[in-house]
Amino acid sequence: KAGVTQTPRYLIKTRGQQVTLSCSPISGHRSVSWYQQTPGQGLQFLFEYFSETQRNKGNFPGRFSGRQFSNSRSEMNVSTLELGDSALYLCASSFLTLAVNNEQFFGPGTRLTVL
Amino acid sequence: AQSVTQLGSHVSVSEGALVLLRCNYSSSVPPYLFWYVQYPNQGLQLLLKYTTGATLVKGINGFEAEFKKSETSFHLTKPSAHMSDAAEYFCAVSDRGRGGGTSYGKLTFGQGTILTVHP
Repeated sequence: KAGVTQTPRYLIKTRGQQVTLSCSPISGHRSVSWYQQTPGQGLQFLFEYFSETQRNKGNFPGRFSGRQFSNSRSEMNVSTLELGDSALYLCASSFLTLAVNNEQFFGPGTRLTVL
Repeated sequence: AQSVTQLGSHVSVSEGALVLLRCNYSSSVPPYLFWYVQYPNQGLQLLLKYTTGATLVKGINGFEAEFKKSETSFHLTKPSAHMSDAAEYFCAVSDRGRGGGTSYGKLTFGQGTILTVHP
């Protein structure tokens, strides 16, 4: 069974641009969560999507958004990029919503660098 | 709000020595508890988890952890370190789900502990 895949693996953008990251969950998984990992703040929860609905949201500004498609694939978008958005963005999938079954499987991440 | 504290951002051991990585949590009710490992340029891999039942949990690669409610701790141990154990380890907690449309279960992570294993 294929694991969680994230594309692209590496991305370089400049301040003010926007970026879209993609995540394909494990086949059959319906929950996708996103996390930001930085040296200063560590791992922080961004949001969870389940059955195309946002179920939970972390403490991030509105520039961070996401969506989930009917095939459970998810995208997250960051608009008006800032230098501080440079991070490893991790996607995790779970069979059910985190409220019911919170065993999550992580992808390799997308390394975003903002110049 | 939940919080997780990992004591020691860096731990160094010799190959064959005991590995002990400390984790304490703060939560109003006993949460679900997890340990993840992250190798360079990779995502997180679940080592073990505690949800309910036996408080001593065995995971992959010879790791185990014990949930101690009275100490609000979930320390990770391995009797004999191997060079391949060198990585960063994260302790995490999540609320127990309530269902009914209310979403819980997001992971709150500790700051991580980098484990170095010397030959």
